[in-house]
Amino acid sequence: EDQVTQSPEALRLQEGESSSLNCSYTVSGLRGLFWYRQDPGKGPEFLFTLYSAGEEKEKERLKATLTKKESFLHITAPKPEDSATYLCAVGGKEVTGGGNKLTFGTGTQLKVEL
Amino acid sequence: GAGVSQSPSNKVTEKGKDVELRCDPISGHTALYWYRQSLGQGLEFLIYFQGNSAPDKSGLPSDRFSAERTGGSVSTLTIQRTQQEDSAVYLCASSEVYRRDTEAFFGQGTRLTVV
Repeated sequence: EDQVTQSPEALRLQEGESSSLNCSYTVSGLRGLFWYRQDPGKGPEFLFTLYSAGEEKEKERLKATLTKKESFLHITAPKPEDSATYLCAVGGKEVTGGGNKLTFGTGTQLKVEL
Repeated sequence: GAGVSQSPSNKVTEKGKDVELRCDPISGHTALYWYRQSLGQGLEFLIYFQGNSAPDKSGLPSDRFSAERTGGSVSTLTIQRTQQEDSAVYLCASSEVYRRDTEAFFGQGTRLTVV
C-alpha cells in the first residue's frame, strides 16, 4: 500500500526566513510525486511533478527536490502570501484503464508572518 | 470552462437524506477523479473515470456511494441515506490521462455537512 508522510504538520516562519518541508513516501512503482498548495476553502492547486531521484523544479520562491525515499519543498525568503497548506502526493502503479490515482499526505500548514 | 467546477459549494443535509454532488471537468480532460477530504485527514481517493466508465471504484466507502459520468464530461457523486461520518469536503479533479506529466486539476470542492 502506498504511503505518504509529511512533516512538520505546521510551520510558522518570519518573512524572509527560509525553510524546507518534508515528504517521505513508500510506493510500488513511482509514477510521479506531486506537490500542491491548498488555501482555506479552496481545492488544491498544482505546483510541481517530479519523476526521478535527483530531479529538481523551481517556481518563484519554491524549489522541489526528489530522492528515492523523500521529497523536499524548499521555500526561500517566504512572504505572507506563501501561507497555505502544502500537500504532497504520489502516483503509484497505473490503475486499471490508465489514469494516475494519487495517495496524499496530510499536509504541512505554513504560516508566514511579517 | 477554464477550470473544474463543482456544485453546490456547500450542502447541509439531514441524516438519512440522499445528496447529489456535481463536477464539471476541464473541457477535453478524459480522466476524472473524486476525492474526499475529512478534517485532519489527507485527501482520500474515491473513484476514477476514464471517459464514461469507472475502471477503479476501490475507494468508495460503502454501497451508499455511487457515481456516474455522462458524455465524457459531467460527473455526479450520489450519497444515499447520508450519515454524519459522510461530512467532509468532496473534491473533483480532472486530467489528460495520456500525458506522462499527468497532473490533476482540482475544483474548489463541495463541503457536505450531515446534521
